Amino acid sequence: KAGVTQTPRYLIKTRGQQVTLSCSPISGHRSVSWYQQTPGQGLQFLFEYFSETQRNKGNFPGRFSGRQFSNSRSEMNVSTLELGDSALYLCASSLAELSDTQYFGPGTRLTVL
Amino acid sequence: AQSVAQPEDQVNVAEGNPLTVKCTYSVSGNPYLFWYVQYPNRGLQFLLKYITGDNLVKGSYGFEAEFNKSQTSFHLKKPSALVSDSALYFCAVRDYGGANNLFFGTGTRLTVIP
Repeated sequence: KAGVTQTPRYLIKTRGQQVTLSCSPISGHRSVSWYQQTPGQGLQFLFEYFSETQRNKGNFPGRFSGRQFSNSRSEMNVSTLELGDSALYLCASSLAELSDTQYFGPGTRLTVL
Repeated sequence: AQSVAQPEDQVNVAEGNPLTVKCTYSVSGNPYLFWYVQYPNRGLQFLLKYITGDNLVKGSYGFEAEFNKSQTSFHLKKPSALVSDSALYFCAVRDYGGANNLFFGTGTRLTVIP
């Protein structure tokens, strides 16, 4: 099976712009989670989707949003970019249940100038 | 509230020696515990998990972890370290019955010295 894929792998944006990141889960996986990884804050949970519904949400401002499509693919959007949004954004997929292992994609490296 | 602590930012061990990477957790419900490893410029790779059952869990690449409920710990171990084990290790907990999202520790950088 193909692993979790994320596009694009690298992005450079300027402050105030918006960005959309895409994640395709492993075939058959219905749950997709998003994380932000920075050197200072480590891995922080953004949100989790299951069957097109947001199941959990982390402590991030409303500028961060996401959605999941009927084929389980997910997108994450960040509006009005700030310098502090520069990070590695990781997507992970799992089958469904809370005890399931999450499998991570390679990430999208976002740089905000 | 759920939390995970990895008390050591950095662990150095000589090749061939046993290694331990420490993790303690706090949850309100039953914990689901995970260890992941991250190599440079790559995503996280799953190593092992504890859901229920035997306290000693065996995982990928010869790693194992011991769940200790009384000490709320889930330390990662390997009997003989390899240079290729050098990486960033993350402990994570999902609070079954609580917040439910996967909560990660801050990571421990393991360096195996030849």
